[in-house]
Amino acid sequence: DAMVIQNPRYQVTQFGKPVTLSCSQTLNHNVMYWYQQKSSQAPKLLFHYYDKDFNNEADTPDNFQSRRPNTSFCFLDIRSPGLGDAAMYLCATRTSTGLNTEAFFGQGTRLTVV
Amino acid sequence: LAKTTQPISMDSYEGQEVNITCSHNNIATNDYITWYQQFPSQGPRFIIQGYKTKVTNEVASLFIPADRKSSTLSLPRVSLSDTAVYYCLATRGGGNKLTFGTGTQLKVEL
Repeated sequence: DAMVIQNPRYQVTQFGKPVTLSCSQTLNHNVMYWYQQKSSQAPKLLFHYYDKDFNNEADTPDNFQSRRPNTSFCFLDIRSPGLGDAAMYLCATRTSTGLNTEAFFGQGTRLTVV
Repeated sequence: LAKTTQPISMDSYEGQEVNITCSHNNIATNDYITWYQQFPSQGPRFIIQGYKTKVTNEVASLFIPADRKSSTLSLPRVSLSDTAVYYCLATRGGGNKLTFGTGTQLKVEL
């Protein structure tokens, strides 16, 4: 059973039209991450939550926002998508307890901007 | 977190052992070395993690020397299905971020 679920798998949006990507988890992990991955590149961390504490990467554009209403759900909002925002967006979760723990990734949402 | 450096690509044949090295000269005392595997159009998947010496699981082995400035992921008897990108990360417990380096594209052929 999928433990980190991203919806939708594929999303097409218009240039400049706000879009929201969602992520849910059944692991009860307190840490959640959002990554952007473009073709043939490594995943790039956008931001992460440690419980409700939001941690933004310095180079994440203001166009990208996130919400985490509860432990299970996390959303990525792109306020005005540009052509350069077309990418795979990956959500991951991790628990902060223990010495070190693995992260669990969702299948990703492939975003196309037209 | 320590920056990691890996070869961009490697080629191998089915049945061979593959060793992928990773450099992490500035690794901190409380950093672990963690490897992830990623297939096209999928999220990365955890393979193995270690702190020092050797760790082995059903998928791979991880060798980390005493100075911890490098590590080697060893994949025994690879098959075509092992063709993927392999990422080496310096990770830390708690709610810290996970930062991916460039990764190594492994291509396995018949």
